[in-house]
Amino acid sequence: DTGVSQNPRHKITKRGQNVTFRCDPISEHNRLYWYRQTLGQGPEFLTYFQNEAQLEKSRLLSDRFSAERPKGSFSTLEIQRTEQGDSAMYLCASSGDGLATQYFGPGTRLLVL
Amino acid sequence: DAKTTQPTSMDCAEGRAANLPCNHSTISGNEYVYWYRQIHSQGPQYIIHGLKNNETNEMASLIITEDRKSSTLILPHATLRDTAVYYCIVRVDGSSNTGKLIFGQGTTLQVKP
Repeated sequence: DTGVSQNPRHKITKRGQNVTFRCDPISEHNRLYWYRQTLGQGPEFLTYFQNEAQLEKSRLLSDRFSAERPKGSFSTLEIQRTEQGDSAMYLCASSGDGLATQYFGPGTRLLVL
Repeated sequence: DAKTTQPTSMDCAEGRAANLPCNHSTISGNEYVYWYRQIHSQGPQYIIHGLKNNETNEMASLIITEDRKSSTLILPHATLRDTAVYYCIVRVDGSSNTGKLIFGQGTTLQVKP
């Protein structure tokens, strides 16, 4: 257990539905990252927060995806109008500022039917 | 960030040392070498990182060549629980960078009894 938690751990939804995932980082960490991992591939960067500010977004983050980190604590990742191609593991990681090592949560596995 | 090249897969006998190579011939002087591993269906786990000098912790040793163009992760006494995908990543550290990790395909290490 790294101290980063994610909920839910698994989500099955129908195409076109909206889903929201939550990440609770290690409490003193001000940096938070979202990654996506499809089967057989390494994780791919989606977006980065420093405190409550979203400072970088990948091209992978289409306009159907939105992420927030209110008050610089937990973060949510919402996918609107899900598509089958959104099926993946969504990973959250956090790190401190001086300590650059990222610690990952267990991930949320999404299956879109 | 520099690209890395790793073998797709390796086998290792239980109890023996596992030596996982990584090439990063285009690494810059301020880029660190990081190793993570991912056990099936879990989030990536940080193992070790280094800049120039060899590093050792309770999990592994990291040997970086003098020209820094390649490195080797050593698991001194591999166990079945070390079966995982191992990722070698290079990136710039520091508060002015996002710190995002760019994962390749990694090396699938199979530890056999």
